[in-house]
Amino acid sequence: DAGVIQSPRHEVTEMGQEVTLRCKPISGHDYLFWYRQTMMRGLELLIYFNNNVPIDDSGMPEDRFSAKMPNASFSTLKIQPSEPRDSAVYFCASSSPLGTSGGAVWNEQFFGPGTRLTVL
Amino acid sequence: RKEVEQDPGPFNVPEGATVAFNCTYSNSASQSFFWYRQDCRKEPKLLMSVYSSGNEDGRFTAQLNRASQYISLLIRDSKLSDSATYLCVVNTSNQGGKLIFGQGTELSVKP
Repeated sequence: DAGVIQSPRHEVTEMGQEVTLRCKPISGHDYLFWYRQTMMRGLELLIYFNNNVPIDDSGMPEDRFSAKMPNASFSTLKIQPSEPRDSAVYFCASSSPLGTSGGAVWNEQFFGPGTRLTVL
Repeated sequence: RKEVEQDPGPFNVPEGATVAFNCTYSNSASQSFFWYRQDCRKEPKLLMSVYSSGNEDGRFTAQLNRASQYISLLIRDSKLSDSATYLCVVNTSNQGGKLIFGQGTELSVKP
């Protein structure tokens, strides 16, 4: 398997422009997560989906951010309009259903390589 | 208060040293615990899960103290290749697949 695929890897845009980030999860994984990472705030969960349905979007900063998952193999995170403070690395991750191993509940998340977004 | 707190470091140690990272979590309902590793400008990757009885994987030992809500990671005989940021991660069972990440502890192993 190719792992989680994200595109683009780098995006430079101007304030006010629309930005769309794309993610293809690992086949068979039914959880998909979008994270944002900055030096100041670390790794923050924005939203996650289970079986293509958004479960928790409490981390989405504001209405300028939206995420969709039209099918099991594709998700988008859109920022419209973008602002300089949105500059960050955006990661997509996927995981398989919760299970148990050795008595512990496990749910390893596999991360994509990230999209490095710069808004000028 | 952050849900998962770590000492950000950096920890600068010589090769061969033993180094320990600590982490505390605030939600007593947390059920699963992990250490992830993140190399510079790369994505986080699972290093190891943390079990109630403690567990070891080669040079790495993880411990969990539920009473104190404390997790630790011990690295013995550190290598240059261990240089990375180590993220403490917890999951609360009533939050489905959601993981809460600490800010990470930076480790730099020097020759």
